[in-house]
Amino acid sequence: AQSVAQPEDQVNVAEGNPLTVKCTYSVSGNPYLFWYVQYPNRGLQFLLKYITGDNLVKGSYGFEAEFNKSQTSFHLKKPSALVSDSALYFCAVSPPATGRRALTFGSGTRLQVQP
Amino acid sequence: EPEVTQTPSHQVTQMGQEVILRCVPISNHLYFYWYRQILGQKVEFLVSFYNNEISEKSEIFDDQFSVERPDGSNFTLKIRSTKLEDSAMYFCASSEPGLVDTQYFGPGTRLTVL
Repeated sequence: AQSVAQPEDQVNVAEGNPLTVKCTYSVSGNPYLFWYVQYPNRGLQFLLKYITGDNLVKGSYGFEAEFNKSQTSFHLKKPSALVSDSALYFCAVSPPATGRRALTFGSGTRLQVQP
Repeated sequence: EPEVTQTPSHQVTQMGQEVILRCVPISNHLYFYWYRQILGQKVEFLVSFYNNEISEKSEIFDDQFSVERPDGSNFTLKIRSTKLEDSAMYFCASSEPGLVDTQYFGPGTRLTVL
């Protein structure tokens, strides 16, 4: 069975500083990995995904994520945080090459960017 | 930019009542999904739907649940006899056909079962 772990319930960072939101996964085979963001009273918004190829994936709003196969990680990063980045971030994995599409989500990490 | 929409935003019902949650997926998408998030817990997959039939479902999606695409635009989730533990945020999502298609989510319907 596949699983996703987000070890930090909350990450606090000052505006302008780099941010990292951690995600590790467990899946058989090559994973398909996703990051979503949830703002208050809104649905999940897609940020970026890794399928194959370059380990550094660039996404929306200046976010990027680095796939590390040896560490089974897919950490979300941004060079310079904005107050408006404060939200709940979810990492997700889908079954590789099985034709199944169900996403398995992590528990979420609340990012708080202080002015 | 096209969006997935869901109605109602909040539904309150009595235990044992039937509820229908509605979703309008993005128009050119062919895969449709329902997920739920119980307060304070993870987002959990319920069911996926393609070509007018269920393509995948989780253990949560038991006989109390059903899905339907009654017309060319709506996608519905019916809970036949609601239980207290069905209280959750229910998210609809849709995606284009593809091996690793991105799922786009609606804003959710908060279901409260009293």
